[in-house]
Amino acid sequence: QVQLQESGPGLVKPSQTLSLTCTVSGGSISSGGYYWSWIRQHPGKGLEWLGYIYYSGSTYYNPSLKSRLTISMDTSKNQFSLKLSSVTAADTAVYYCARGDSDSSPVPYFDYWGQGTLVTVSS
Amino acid sequence: DIQMTQSPSTLSASLGDRVTITCRASQRINSWLAWYQQKPGKAPKLLIYKASTLESGVPLRFSGSGSGTEFTLTISSLQPDDFATYYCQQYNSYCTFGQGTKLEIK
Repeated sequence: QVQLQESGPGLVKPSQTLSLTCTVSGGSISSGGYYWSWIRQHPGKGLEWLGYIYYSGSTYYNPSLKSRLTISMDTSKNQFSLKLSSVTAADTAVYYCARGDSDSSPVPYFDYWGQGTLVTVSS
Repeated sequence: DIQMTQSPSTLSASLGDRVTITCRASQRINSWLAWYQQKPGKAPKLLIYKASTLESGVPLRFSGSGSGTEFTLTISSLQPDDFATYYCQQYNSYCTFGQGTKLEIK
């Protein structure tokens, strides 16, 4: 059973970089053809896909965040990470990591999710 | 960007009711549509992918249909555990979600 767990600071100051890590257990992130993804949810709002890193290491970002977002992976630790720069209060949200599967589709749907972590941007 | 519009935004129903939630895409997405259930304070849970394929372990009272631009999620007989918010997601181009449908107890 694949499990994902987000970790990182719950409070980030405006203009700084938000950094989160997702630790995966029950499967290797470097095999299997999966898309290791980040999704966020503003308080009381819907879901916003941020981006993913494919098992091969290639990345794909939401165009609205592309200039501020970096997703990377550390296969030795079976982790992948998100860095979002120049944050503002609008980046306050619950951040989820998730595993994406494609079933031959152009981009993935998400079959396993972490529990989510609330990140607040405030001075 | 492909916009996903769900209706209704809120749905009140009773135990045992049959309910349907609709998701419309702003352009054709073939059958690349998934449905998720989310309960307060929890991560979304995948119910259906490829418009009509039930994820393993999901009760058979859930079903999905549609292709192109119009899709539906149907719950055949509401159970207490089904009261939650439901989201559709297109995965034809980038990934975008609908705004959600909150299913409430009448």
